[in-house]
Amino acid sequence: EAAVTQSPRNKVAVTGGKVTLSCNQTNNHNNMYWYRQDTGHGLRLIHYSYGAGSTEKGDIPDGYKASRPSQENFSLILELATPSQTSVYFCASGERTGGYEQYFGPGTRLTVL
Amino acid sequence: GDSVTQTEGQVTVSESKSLIINCTYSTTSIAYPNLFWYVRYPGEGLQLLLKVITAGQKGSSRGFEATYNKETTSFHLQKASVQESDSAVYYCALGDLSSGSWQLIFGSGTQLTVMP
Repeated sequence: EAAVTQSPRNKVAVTGGKVTLSCNQTNNHNNMYWYRQDTGHGLRLIHYSYGAGSTEKGDIPDGYKASRPSQENFSLILELATPSQTSVYFCASGERTGGYEQYFGPGTRLTVL
Repeated sequence: GDSVTQTEGQVTVSESKSLIINCTYSTTSIAYPNLFWYVRYPGEGLQLLLKVITAGQKGSSRGFEATYNKETTSFHLQKASVQESDSAVYYCALGDLSSGSWQLIFGSGTQLTVMP
């Protein structure tokens, strides 16, 4: 069954530490996305990718890096985590066909202390 | 830029009652954006509930309906009789191709609680 999975599902990190969030998709979609969701806000786009080797900045990229080593995998990297990055992070994949629908993973809850 | 507004952060409805969750959108870059409703059940990721890509058309799924109204720039979600299992967070979204990424622009979400 096609799916988007994320790991870890929960993460507690210390300020200044490095955090890597991983995403894997079996949809064979070219596009992948990282969003964060905060109370009172909708999902906001951090980075996205058109395919392996590609990463692009979204609306709120500051403090985040992304890596797309393969069609299936897309990582979000926080080199120096800060408490303001405490949030729920969602990965998604999508394609131009099918009305540009995106398929989401279950989310990662990150707490930075 | 483009934006999506959901005015109700939380809605509580008794089981078997009707529901409406409001959504309006604003776009400067796309004449006819694709419109979506996503739902997030507790502990799960977002799932597509319904989508409409043509102005004037209605989308429906699992008893929910939404009509794409270009005149009022609205895409309200309705259900005639809610069930306890409908309790979830509902997000209205707009598909934006103008940036080249085809990102989704989300509203802030509406937490629906259905009381037994």
